[in-house]
Amino acid sequence: GAGVSQSPSNKVTEKGKDVELRCDPISGHTALYWYRQRLGQGLEFLIYFQGNSAPDKSGLPSDRFSAERTGGSVSTLTIQRTQQEDSAVYLCASSLSGRATDTQYFGPGTRLTVL
Amino acid sequence: TQLLEQSPQFLSIQEGENLTVYCNSSSVFSSLQWYRQEPGEGPVLLVTVVTGGEVKKLKRLTFQFGDARKDSSLHITAAQPGDTGLYLCAGAEGSSNYKLTFGKGTLLTVNP
Repeated sequence: GAGVSQSPSNKVTEKGKDVELRCDPISGHTALYWYRQRLGQGLEFLIYFQGNSAPDKSGLPSDRFSAERTGGSVSTLTIQRTQQEDSAVYLCASSLSGRATDTQYFGPGTRLTVL
Repeated sequence: TQLLEQSPQFLSIQEGENLTVYCNSSSVFSSLQWYRQEPGEGPVLLVTVVTGGEVKKLKRLTFQFGDARKDSSLHITAAQPGDTGLYLCAGAEGSSNYKLTFGKGTLLTVNP
């Protein structure tokens, strides 16, 4: 398909374990975003990648969170030493050029549950 | 960080009714977007407004951006069960040309 894909769709882990979430953006999109959506809440910005520029990591809630984007395409969000408050849906989006007026195309998300 | 408040938080109506949901802030946005999100899916863009006072129509949906670019509304005419979902507004911070601030959303249920 031509849309944004994310894996896994669901992840259940134990407190203290590390998790990796993957995002495959739409081919040709230079901008990639990660968001967190807690139950009943809106989307919380985590990190933004644009081409080869340094990412905007200003939304990462703690140093346990990190993200990479390899080759300007696939991105991985890593959460180390997971805590129960990390439980949420993690959404990835890509857009053509990263302007705020661009359409952001979202993946279906990864639902993370930390026990 | 600019805050966006959406109201109402929940709305349950019967098929055929009209409704309006609101997105308000004390800050000015350079542009504003509305998304709809269905359970288990990511949000899907409905519209982008960039000019104060702008009105856009998408079939039965009418979007308005306030004159001062601090607020927006979404009006749905003759709602249908397929309109059910979480409606999110998102504004571009004035100093950023790529970052969006999302409201918490309005969860709309249209009963047949």
